[in-house]
Amino acid sequence: AQTVTQSQPEMSVQEAETVTLSCTYDTSESDYYLFWYKQPPSRQMILVIRQEAYKQQNATENRFSVNFQKAAKSFSLKISDSQLGDAAMYFCAYNTGTASKLTFGTGTRLQVTL
Amino acid sequence: SQTIHQWPATLVQPVGSPLSLECTVEGTSNPNLYWYRQAAGRGLQLLFYSVGIGQISSEVPQNLSASRPQDRQFILSSKKLLLSDSGFYLCAWRAYRAGELFFGEGSRLTVL
Repeated sequence: AQTVTQSQPEMSVQEAETVTLSCTYDTSESDYYLFWYKQPPSRQMILVIRQEAYKQQNATENRFSVNFQKAAKSFSLKISDSQLGDAAMYFCAYNTGTASKLTFGTGTRLQVTL
Repeated sequence: SQTIHQWPATLVQPVGSPLSLECTVEGTSNPNLYWYRQAAGRGLQLLFYSVGIGQISSEVPQNLSASRPQDRQFILSSKKLLLSDSGFYLCAWRAYRAGELFFGEGSRLTVL
């Protein structure tokens, strides 16, 4: 079975600094997708960034970028120039192209301080 | 563009009462639909998913049930709520191309 592990229950970063959230996964598939979701206090889940496993280039969305290490099965999220609005729970998730469901990690709570 | 809505946003129900949470998707056809539950401070637990009308897959045995009476409507129900059913319920639909899910606003259920 596929599993997703987020080993950091909580992280803290100062405003304008950079923080990296870790995620590892376990799969025997070669073709799959990885995602980072943000859940602010409103609790609606928002897609932050998506990475296709067949792409070697790391995905980037404005201040958010990933470090995808396929051999190590690692998928970390880097947030640059952190803002107060980045404070939220962040969930890593995995899916294959054919599977019907996403597998989520347990989440990392990010605090942003002044 | 596609949108997803679920309601009610907040619900307080006594133990043993019935439950009905509704979710509708607009702007797409034949989507995969999902119900997740999130306990306070915890991750997401997949409850049900549906790949088409009348097709429901259950992930966790419990006193909840799901139905899909129409292509873009997904309903989560219970005949008799338990205290352990309290939580935050999220409906989602899947973008088939890459598999990411798009979530509704969520429904907070408190069973007293």
